[in-house]
Amino acid sequence: DVKVTQSSRYLVKRTGEKVFLECVQDMDHENMFWYRQDPGLGLRLIYFSYDVKMKEKGDIPEGYSVSREKKERFSLILESASTNQTSMYLCASSLFGAGYGYTFGSGTRLTVV
Amino acid sequence: AQRVTQPEKLLSVFKGAPVELKCNYSYSGSPELFWYVQYSRQRLQLLLRHISRESIKGFTADLNKGETSFHLKKPFAQEEDSAMYYCALSLIMEYGNKLVFGAGTILRVKS
Repeated sequence: DVKVTQSSRYLVKRTGEKVFLECVQDMDHENMFWYRQDPGLGLRLIYFSYDVKMKEKGDIPEGYSVSREKKERFSLILESASTNQTSMYLCASSLFGAGYGYTFGSGTRLTVV
Repeated sequence: AQRVTQPEKLLSVFKGAPVELKCNYSYSGSPELFWYVQYSRQRLQLLLRHISRESIKGFTADLNKGETSFHLKKPFAQEEDSAMYYCALSLIMEYGNKLVFGAGTILRVKS
């Protein structure tokens, strides 16, 4: 019944490494999102995509990039990982329209050492 | 600026007591609001949306435009309600919509 799949549950990476977080959805949703979840800060939007090859910056895009080559897949890239990027990363997808909620993946807990 | 405020980081109640999780929003347009819940070791999931005016697991939420609030309520808390709750506001953009989340409230139901 899993509809949004994040490739890794836990990742440990070294400072300066390039990190790829993968997300796949099987619901044919137009919109896909990457958030990071931190205690006391809630969920903050990093990037989102409303169509293949289209992307928009969210509230905290610095240090991140994204790729959406296929409708079902949305990748988050940390160009040069830093310790302040240690966090839980959540991928989500939705249909277009304000009344639709998101379907979330189970998250990737990234630790940068 | 669009913003969602959840003033309580932690709400602790006894089983059987009423629960009210507060949410206030700031938005100049017509708001679409949601509550999401994350149980321990589970993914974040939609609890309810104001547009459907439904009751899920005994929870309800009423949009009060005058007070710009969307508080989540349940008359009798159960231990299985213990979780993290997020209030979220949907923003319409040219090509899609995005959610702005509050900081979240941990609900702890004690036996």
